[in-house]
Amino acid sequence: AQKVTQAQTEISVVEKEDVTLDCVYETRDTTYYLFWYKQPPSGELVFLIRRNSFDEQNEISGRYSWNFQKSTSSFNFTITASQVVDSAVYFCALSEGPEAGNMLTFGGGTRLMVKP
Amino acid sequence: DGGITQSPKYLFRKEGQNVTLSCEQNLNHDAMYWYRQDPGQGLRLIYYSQIVNDFQKGDIAEGYSVSREKKESFPLTVTSAQQNPTAFYLCASTLDRGGPKNIQYFGAGTRLSVL
Repeated sequence: AQKVTQAQTEISVVEKEDVTLDCVYETRDTTYYLFWYKQPPSGELVFLIRRNSFDEQNEISGRYSWNFQKSTSSFNFTITASQVVDSAVYFCALSEGPEAGNMLTFGGGTRLMVKP
Repeated sequence: DGGITQSPKYLFRKEGQNVTLSCEQNLNHDAMYWYRQDPGQGLRLIYYSQIVNDFQKGDIAEGYSVSREKKESFPLTVTSAQQNPTAFYLCASTLDRGGPKNIQYFGAGTRLSVL
């Protein structure tokens, strides 16, 4: 069975600091997909990124970057120069693809608080 | 605008009562999902449906029921058998394929409380 672990339950930083959110996953499949979602106080989950198991390239999107390492089963998320608007709960999730119904297994989430 | 609509935003259940949460999508997505989120925790899958008139149990299906009579709609009923229904319920949908099409998009959620 698959599992996603986000060991950091809560992180507090001061605005403009860089912060990294950790995600470690377990799966027996060779084909799988990893996701990050943001949950602001309103509650709706906002999709941030999707990465498949064959693509280990790191990705940068503005102040956001993701480091995918199959060797350590990790998919970490870094926010550079954090802003107050980044305050939210962030979830890492794993899917084993359409053969498994595209179901998502979520980590427990990391609550990020960015203070002015 | 295309999206996923959940209603109501807040719902209160009396003891012994069944309540139904609505989820509608106009994205022409094939698959739909229901998740439960308890305070300070991640999401857990209740039920999912990949095609009309078919659905499968997730990790915590006991005390819940669903139907999928139309592609656009996937209502969730919280039955009286669900002893601890207070939670935040999120509906999601996706094109039921691999590659970039398997991203799940979420509704705004329904917060259910017991009176």
